[in-house]
Amino acid sequence: GAGVSQSPSNKVTEKGKDVELRCDPISGHTALYWYRQRLGQGLEFLIYFQGNSAPDKSGLPSDRFSAERTGESVSTLTIQRTQQEDSAVYLCASSQFPVRGQETQYFGPGTRLLVL
Amino acid sequence: DQQVKQNSPSLSVQEGRISILNCDYTNSMFDYFLWYKKYPAEGPTFLISISSIKDKNEDGRFTVFLNKSAKHLSLHIVPSQPGDSAVYFCAATFVMDSSYKLIFGSGTRLLVRP
Repeated sequence: GAGVSQSPSNKVTEKGKDVELRCDPISGHTALYWYRQRLGQGLEFLIYFQGNSAPDKSGLPSDRFSAERTGESVSTLTIQRTQQEDSAVYLCASSQFPVRGQETQYFGPGTRLLVL
Repeated sequence: DQQVKQNSPSLSVQEGRISILNCDYTNSMFDYFLWYKKYPAEGPTFLISISSIKDKNEDGRFTVFLNKSAKHLSLHIVPSQPGDSAVYFCAATFVMDSSYKLIFGSGTRLLVRP
């Protein structure tokens, strides 16, 4: 079956512009996660959606970042008024159910964002 | 505040030898630990996990060891193969306020020399 897909794969934008990143999780996966990886750094948690529960937004770095998910399908991560420090690879992951020890997350290939 | 730390940014090992990747954590609430492997231009892929109630989990060439008293875990790969060359991320999970948390380390780049 298809894995997690993300689009676009690469995005170059100018400082101050808004960008929208898309994630298509694996069908049937109730949990969806967004992470950010800056150059030379580890994976930084941004936001977590689980079913119809309120999302965990504790990782969003500023109010310029927002994310939505429609049901258990597509999610979009929006960055408004982009800054150069937003340049990173944005990774999306999904998992089937939050049973402890079985939360294996399946990652997409990422969107490489470069803010000039 | 880095709750999961991988202090070695890189490791180089000869093919056939053992690779040992280390990870330290600070949060005693973590109850599962996972290792992910990442190739360039790809997303991380799950490798192996261990529950906090265990001290060892083995899967083929990969074994994860957990020392709770030291808040330390390690991933052993033996024998190492050139195809194992990748970035390895340690991660830890816990549930707080009904929200699931997965915290990643900064990664260790493993190079297995032929």
